[in-house]
Amino acid sequence: GDSVTQMEGPVTLSEEAFLTINCTYTATGYPSLFWYVQYPGEGLQLLLKATKADDKGSNKGFEATYRKETTSFHLEKGSVQVSDSAVYFCALSRRSNYQLIWGAGTKLIIKP
Amino acid sequence: EAQVTQNPRYLITVTGKKLTVTCSQNMNHEYMSWYRQDPGLGLRQIYYSMNVEVTDKGDVPEGYKVSRKEKRNFPLILESPSPNQTSLYFCASSPGDSRSGNTIYFGEGSWLTVV
Repeated sequence: GDSVTQMEGPVTLSEEAFLTINCTYTATGYPSLFWYVQYPGEGLQLLLKATKADDKGSNKGFEATYRKETTSFHLEKGSVQVSDSAVYFCALSRRSNYQLIWGAGTKLIIKP
Repeated sequence: EAQVTQNPRYLITVTGKKLTVTCSQNMNHEYMSWYRQDPGLGLRQIYYSMNVEVTDKGDVPEGYKVSRKEKRNFPLILESPSPNQTSLYFCASSPGDSRSGNTIYFGEGSWLTVV
């Protein structure tokens, strides 16, 4: 069945470092792909999305490109800040019933 | 302001005492769902609803009930809560429209502890 695999955390970086959080998926058809972020003590917020192959989603300096050939949707940011510390979830959405399939989440810790 | 509102945000209850977590959205969305979030397991879907009076089981429906009598409301019912239902619960809604890229909007979460 459909699934999402993302790198295990926690990922610890220094401020201004380059960030990559890997996400790969298995799905039939052409799902939409998402990154959600959960800041400490808060709910989930949509960070960015891509709905078809080669689309690039971007928001708040984060980017991810929908790569069908490698079934990946890696999250990147050129220079992270302490305020980016959060848990990041990769997810895909089945077009048939809008159900979201989630990765396990990656905790990101940014040190000053 | 477009939002998904769930209540209560925090609850401690005892085993076997029925409880309801309410969820309401003001975006006229057709699709609503409930998830639970547990450490190391990510989010798992409990139930979802494609429209009024239409509900379906998600991945972990055991011990839960839902209803969808109105488009805006989708309450989650725990008839006889047990400690393994201690979790963080999220309600979510979506336009159910492919033009939105199936973007799903989440409530702020409800922390439930069953002792």
